[in-house]
Amino acid sequence: RKEVEQDPGPFNVPEGATVAFNCTYSNSASQSFFWYRQDCRKEPKLLMSVYSSGNEDGRFTAQLNRASQYISLLIRDSKLSDSATYLCVVPRGTGNQFYFGTGTSLTVIP
Amino acid sequence: NAGVTQTPKFRVLKTGQSMTLLCAQDMNHEYMYWYRQDPGMGLRLIHYSVGEGTTAKGEVPDGYNVSRLKKQNFLLGLESAAPSQTSVYFCASSLTGAIYGYTFGSGTRLTVV
Repeated sequence: RKEVEQDPGPFNVPEGATVAFNCTYSNSASQSFFWYRQDCRKEPKLLMSVYSSGNEDGRFTAQLNRASQYISLLIRDSKLSDSATYLCVVPRGTGNQFYFGTGTSLTVIP
Repeated sequence: NAGVTQTPKFRVLKTGQSMTLLCAQDMNHEYMYWYRQDPGMGLRLIHYSVGEGTTAKGEVPDGYNVSRLKKQNFLLGLESAAPSQTSVYFCASSLTGAIYGYTFGSGTRLTVV
């Protein structure tokens, strides 16, 4: 298994839909996980952190399943502005280095 | 309120040429990083620094050198550019090293022909 794997998509969903992405990781000792958002030709920006079972922020919910070693990102009531690539980030060892997933592309269609 | 500034934003190099990418941050952050992003590969760490005067190798350091002579600046050098170094380069800085504190620059698009 790769250190971090994501379904590249693309996910094309209509406005108002609910969409979920998964990210699998290989290091069972990892404690914290992150979702970043990257707009086309822009830098990544932190979307959410996941430290235990999950985290919710408005329309966005991130969940962690340690038994199966994956994290998920759920977006409810999708907006056009949610169109972006979503990057999964997991720790590399115990230092301050991290693995970035290749990203999942989301396009929200009017 | 500049945050992290990368220069240049775009560059085309010929194989064998050298260049330096500059990353400057005005947030008094201790940690600074250089990543490259390639299609289908995700961001990969090239080198990083945990403070002024220190540097360390990341995941893909070969062909690059770095320097952190001043706390606010982190330079990435390509001594002899190769087509395999065509990529988008992102600099990031962090106060504590925790990724939730990362601030990324807007990137440098480098093409080596």
